[in-house]
Amino acid sequence: AAGVIQSPRHLIKEKRETATLKCYPIPRHDTVYWYQQGPGQDPQFLISFYEKMQSDKGSIPDRFSAQQFSDYHSELNMSSLELGDSALYFCASSKGREPFNQPQHFGDGTRLSIL
Amino acid sequence: DAKTTQPPSMDCAEGRAANLPCNHSTISGNEYVYWYRQIHSQGPQYIIHGLKNNETNEMASLIITEDRKSSTLILPHATLRDTAVYYCIVRVLYSGGSNYKLTFGKGTLLTVNP
Repeated sequence: AAGVIQSPRHLIKEKRETATLKCYPIPRHDTVYWYQQGPGQDPQFLISFYEKMQSDKGSIPDRFSAQQFSDYHSELNMSSLELGDSALYFCASSKGREPFNQPQHFGDGTRLSIL
Repeated sequence: DAKTTQPPSMDCAEGRAANLPCNHSTISGNEYVYWYRQIHSQGPQYIIHGLKNNETNEMASLIITEDRKSSTLILPHATLRDTAVYYCIVRVLYSGGSNYKLTFGKGTLLTVNP
């Protein structure tokens, strides 16, 4: 079965640079979530989109922005990168309609390293 | 979302059943219990979820107590590839705004030994 696709898998940037992470949800999934997992930490929710509209916001820095496009893929844009942004970034997708208990399915993540 | 409490680590012998407990004593009536696992640095993998009835799928079984204050994830025949961090997460069924984020706690590191 098709899964959530994230690109790139690995990304190396320097401080103050920008980065764009992409997420392609499972076909027919209309909801996308972004999570950040720092070294030795548990995944933390950043932001989510349902039908191309922001639906929830977590601990996402103001330097980060995201959007969901008409084909439901999503991009996480990160600017003025800091050393502390080094982390795994996961995207998950689900169907946002009934039944509302449908689980989220995660991609393999993008490992972002800031030098 | 309700908080969950899990033991930080557990060991299990290969081929034996692994029983992973989770306490969620403040769970509300409209909250589901979800289980995910994360194999080292991979994306979290969905395992199973339930509301109040026991559930079973090809990966595991979920036993929820009658008062719904705790649950147990059962891997019937653990293999070395089941070594992972297992997360028990309580999530609201419907909140009106599609804000169904998952709040990950510390989870249980299950180590399956040969």
